Amino acid sequence: QLQLQESGPGLVKPSETLSLTCTVSGDSISSSSSYWGWIRQPPGKGLEWIGSVYYSGSTYYNPSLKSRVTISVDTSKNQFSLKLSSVTAADTAVYYCARRLAVVGTYYFDYWGQGTLVTVSS
Amino acid sequence: IVVTQSPATLSVSPGERVTLSCRASQSVSSNLAWYQQKPGQAPRLLIYGASTRATGIPARFSGSGSGTEFTLTIGSLQSEDFAVYYCQQYSNWPPWTFGQGTKVEIK
Repeated sequence: QLQLQESGPGLVKPSETLSLTCTVSGDSISSSSSYWGWIRQPPGKGLEWIGSVYYSGSTYYNPSLKSRVTISVDTSKNQFSLKLSSVTAADTAVYYCARRLAVVGTYYFDYWGQGTLVTVSS
Repeated sequence: IVVTQSPATLSVSPGERVTLSCRASQSVSSNLAWYQQKPGQAPRLLIYGASTRATGIPARFSGSGSGTEFTLTIGSLQSEDFAVYYCQQYSNWPPWTFGQGTKVEIK
C-alpha cells in the first residue's frame, strides 16, 4: 500500500524559505507510473495545488507561486521536496504531498500524506 | 478556470439523499474529481472522470455532469459521510483548481 509522509519545520519566519520533505513508502518514487505533488490548505480554507515533479526531475508549478517554488526529487532516498522562498503569513497552511498517475488525463490525486501544518510567524 | 461549489453548507439528516453542485467557469469536459475531507484528515478521492468511483468508494456516492455543471450525489447519508466535499478540475492547467468546498453537517 502506497504511503506518503510529510516532514519539516512547523514554524518558519517571514521572508525565510519553507522546506518540506515527503517520504514515499510502498512504491518506488522512480516508478514511471507516478507524478508527485504538493498541495496546501490555509486554515479553514480550500485546497491549492502548488506543483508536481516526475522522477526524472521534470517539474511544473502553479503560475501564482512559480517564482518562489522549487520541487525536487531524491530517488536514492525515495523522497521529494518542496522549497517555498520569501514566505509571508499568507503561506501559513497545512501542506500535503500527494501522488497522481502519470497517465494522460489522470490529473487527480489518489494518494495523500496526512499533511503538516506550517506556520509563518516571527 | 474558476471552480465554484454550492451551497457552502448543507444541513441534512442521516438517511437523506444529498446533492452537491460544482460549476466550472469554462468547459472542463469530464475532467472533474470529487474529494471528501474529514476534520484533521487529508482529502480522499471519491470520484474521477466526473462519474467514476475510486477504488473502495461505496456505491451510494455517484457523480454526474460534463462541461461546466457537475453534481455529487450521496444516495443515503451515513454518519461517516458528514465531511467537507471538494471538486477539482483537471482539464486546463496549470493550475489545476479546486472549489472552495461544501460542508455537509448534521441537521
